[in-house]
Amino acid sequence: EIVLTQSPGTLSLSPGERATLSCRASQSVSSTYLAWYQQKPGQAPRLLIYGASNRATGIPDKFSGSGSGTDFTLTISRLEPEDFAVYYCQQYVNSPWTFGQGTKVQIK
Amino acid sequence: QVQLQESGPGLVKPSETLSLTCTVSGDSISSYYWSWIRQPPGKGLEWIGYIYYSGSTNYNPSLKSRVAISVDTSKNQFSLKLTSVTAADTAVYYCARTIYAFWSGYHYWYFDLWGRGTLVTVSS
Repeated sequence: EIVLTQSPGTLSLSPGERATLSCRASQSVSSTYLAWYQQKPGQAPRLLIYGASNRATGIPDKFSGSGSGTDFTLTISRLEPEDFAVYYCQQYVNSPWTFGQGTKVQIK
Repeated sequence: QVQLQESGPGLVKPSETLSLTCTVSGDSISSYYWSWIRQPPGKGLEWIGYIYYSGSTNYNPSLKSRVAISVDTSKNQFSLKLTSVTAADTAVYYCARTIYAFWSGYHYWYFDLWGRGTLVTVSS
């Protein structure tokens, strides 16, 4: 089973700041099998990024994804109030498909 | 637009079977993969398994002995059964459309649409 470790666990930032979230895999993950999701309280997750760097339909360009191998990054260029949420990475390389434990981005 | 809606009992007794249905509206269930994912209260996400509209399945090995996912294309629905439940199965259960794409020589997978989720509590 591929374990995804996200860091930091919590990120405290102010609106307008840049957020950098990390996702590290326990073994190499093809970049096309890595996705990022955003989840707000009481809501279902929402797809942000697929294939490590492709924005999903309707996702603004302030969200960007990068990385390869075992290290992947989600960047939010300028935080807006609606961006404070929990973010999960997920891999689809091997079964079971697994998620990271999440990074909470909270208002400082 | 395409919508997914989970339905089923919100309370299940220990050792019994959890049964949920996901109804897809706004598009045909055919030509896609469909997954179940769960999230215990205050915790992270766990993929349970998926089914293709043709009926082929792939389950999380940790749940494989207790899980069955089925599809009813005539009703545009797919379903989850989880047997011998315990308190550890208490979670919000989500259904999700699962995209598999192959282009430019690469394979892509992702969950592009999710239901709102339904809380299932296992308790006597």
